[in-house]
Amino acid sequence: QSALTQPASVSGSPGQSITISCTGTSSDVGAYNYVSWYQQHPGEVPKLIISDVTDRPSGVSNRFTGSKSGNTASLTISGLQAEDEADYYCSSYTISSSASVIFGGGTKLTVL
Amino acid sequence: EVQLLESGGGLVQPGGSLRLSCAASGFTFDNYAMSWVCQAPGKGLEWVSGISSGGVSTYYADSVKGRFTISRDNSKNMLYLQMNSLRVEDTAVYYCAKVWRPNGSPVHGMDVWGQGTTVTVSS
Repeated sequence: QSALTQPASVSGSPGQSITISCTGTSSDVGAYNYVSWYQQHPGEVPKLIISDVTDRPSGVSNRFTGSKSGNTASLTISGLQAEDEADYYCSSYTISSSASVIFGGGTKLTVL
Repeated sequence: EVQLLESGGGLVQPGGSLRLSCAASGFTFDNYAMSWVCQAPGKGLEWVSGISSGGVSTYYADSVKGRFTISRDNSKNMLYLQMNSLRVEDTAVYYCAKVWRPNGSPVHGMDVWGQGTTVTVSS
């Protein structure tokens, strides 16, 4: 099971929008609408911000938007705020070797 | 308050065993699939194992298949991870996590996480 591919880092200025990509294969991201995104601040536990490609749990800001095209999922954060600076991870259900879940390597978002 | 509390981590020699436990409260435990996720020091998240809400179906990462066993006791609101044949590369913080949707399998996102328990495998 290979990890999903994310950029190591992205950056943006307050108020701008950024997009983080998550590239997989036809056995994971492309196979089902079971992509999730997590935000993790240093020293804290991960927080679910997007499930099932586009769904936001209650309490998550609508500045976070998920989408998918083919084997690539994306997380867009609009109106960047200083508090958005964190690590972001995507995950997907996979049927590659056995039914399971895989994560991306993570993306460090820096708010300039 | 929805809460997960892990325990059972510690220092163990390569080849040894540990049993992690996760006590759940504040939600209807047997309605939700559960997972274990680990994070090595300074590294990213790695999904380890998952179990359906009723405990019938289990799922494992290739890296732990045949060595780890996930189980749950819905009468006690407890989740477990039996870890055998431990390797140095299993060293990590292990999180117990609740799957968001009340579905039978751990395919959806995980919305509640415990604080984690640290497993260190070293001689």
